[in-house]
Amino acid sequence: DVKVTQSSRYLVKRTGEKVFLECVQDMDHENMFWYRQDPGLGLRLIYFSYDVKMKEKGDIPEGYSVSREKKERFSLILESASTNQTSMYLCASSLRGHGVETQYFGPGTRLLVL
Amino acid sequence: RKEVEQDPGPFNVPEGATVAFNCTYSNSASQSFFWYRQDCRKEPKLLMSVYSSGNEDGRFTAQLNRASQYISLLIRDSKLSDSATYLCVVNPRAGGTSYGKLTFGQGTILTVHP
Repeated sequence: DVKVTQSSRYLVKRTGEKVFLECVQDMDHENMFWYRQDPGLGLRLIYFSYDVKMKEKGDIPEGYSVSREKKERFSLILESASTNQTSMYLCASSLRGHGVETQYFGPGTRLLVL
Repeated sequence: RKEVEQDPGPFNVPEGATVAFNCTYSNSASQSFFWYRQDCRKEPKLLMSVYSSGNEDGRFTAQLNRASQYISLLIRDSKLSDSATYLCVVNPRAGGTSYGKLTFGQGTILTVHP
């Protein structure tokens, strides 16, 4: 069964802290994505990766960075958390080629920055 | 103008009703189209793809009008379990070159009541 896991379901951090969100998929997918989801704005792409050590900016990369050292793991880093980064963060993965448009999502991490 | 626009609703319908959601997209070069479903406090999951000729999956019918840049989802004989947020999703480029990067609408909330 397809599985994407995220390191935490809920996280509370203080302004200025460095925050790591981890995502692991067990489907041997090449593509991985980080989104944030906010009421009225829907899902917005932060970063994506189409291979190990490769990364591309999405629509809202400011204030975030990512790391993909292994195929199954994609990390999102908030270098210095700010209150406007309070959000639901969703990780997803997909195959390259046929089926590339079916994204499998993790359960999400709800981050609160105080 | 948003790349993908949906009526956020909410739509409140009784069991057995037929309900339709609409979605418009701004990029006329968009290649492929989908509906995802997101249950309350859960991750999005692919519901169905949308093909040019229209397609049906049980009680769900999806339609695409490229000339008007318009996508629709029709649900017949609504069930309580259909209550969810329905996300209109567009792939602006052909699957082989886009790494499966998708653009999500903000979602339409549906509540089916007894």
